[in-house]
Amino acid sequence: KAGVTQTPRYLIKTRGQQVTLSCSPISGHRSVSWYQQTPGQGLQFLFEYFSETQRNKGNFPGRFSGRQFSNSRSEMNVSTLELGDSALYLCASSLVTAGAGNTIYFGEGSWLTVV
Amino acid sequence: ELKVEQNPLFLSMQEGKNYTIYCNYSTTSDRLYWYRQDPGKSLESLFVLLSNGAVKQEGRLMASLDTKARLSTLHITAAVHDLSATYFCAVGRNYNQGGKLIFGQGTELSVKP
Repeated sequence: KAGVTQTPRYLIKTRGQQVTLSCSPISGHRSVSWYQQTPGQGLQFLFEYFSETQRNKGNFPGRFSGRQFSNSRSEMNVSTLELGDSALYLCASSLVTAGAGNTIYFGEGSWLTVV
Repeated sequence: ELKVEQNPLFLSMQEGKNYTIYCNYSTTSDRLYWYRQDPGKSLESLFVLLSNGAVKQEGRLMASLDTKARLSTLHITAAVHDLSATYFCAVGRNYNQGGKLIFGQGTELSVKP
C-alpha cells in the first residue's frame, strides 16, 4: 500500500515569504503529525492532528500552523520565513492515534531552504 | 519536561562485532520507538516497545525496554556494512499526547569492513 506522501520534496524560498507543505497519510490513518529536523536541534515535534482537530502542539512560534482536512490530508504553513526555518519537515501518520501504541510511519519529507 | 538521551552519539564498528546503543528518558512513558535514518532519507520504523521487559528482534537488531530504569537498548549482533545509518529512539508520554514523540539526538553508526 502507498506510504505517507509529502509534497513538494524540495523547495527554496526567500526570507519573509511563506510556504505551505502537504501531507497525505497512509489510507485509513487519521492521525497526522509534523516534525522539523535540523542538524542543530535534531527532530522536534511541531503539531498533531486527529479528525481535523489539533491535539498537540510543540514549542514553535505562531508562524508555524497547520490543518487537517476531512480526508485526513494535512497541510502545514510557515509564514514570514526566517533563515533558521531551513530544515527537513517530516510528516508522520498512524492508524487511529499514536497513543494506542500503533506504529508511526514517516514520509520522505520536504526539504526547505530559506535564502 | 521529558528528555531523551542516547549514547553513544557516534559509533564506529567493525563488521562482525556486537554493540549496544542506549536510550535513557527522564519521565514515565508508555511507549518507545526505534527508527533508522539513512543519509538524506526519512525515518524507517524498526520497533515499537510498549511494556516493561518487552523485547523485539529483527535480523541483527534487538531492542528491549526497562520502564523502571527508563532505559531502552538497541543491540546490534555481528554488524554488517548495510547497518550503517543513524538510529533514533523516541518516547511518547501517554494516550492524550497522541502522536507527540520526543526524539533522542540519534546515534550515527558506521560499520567498516
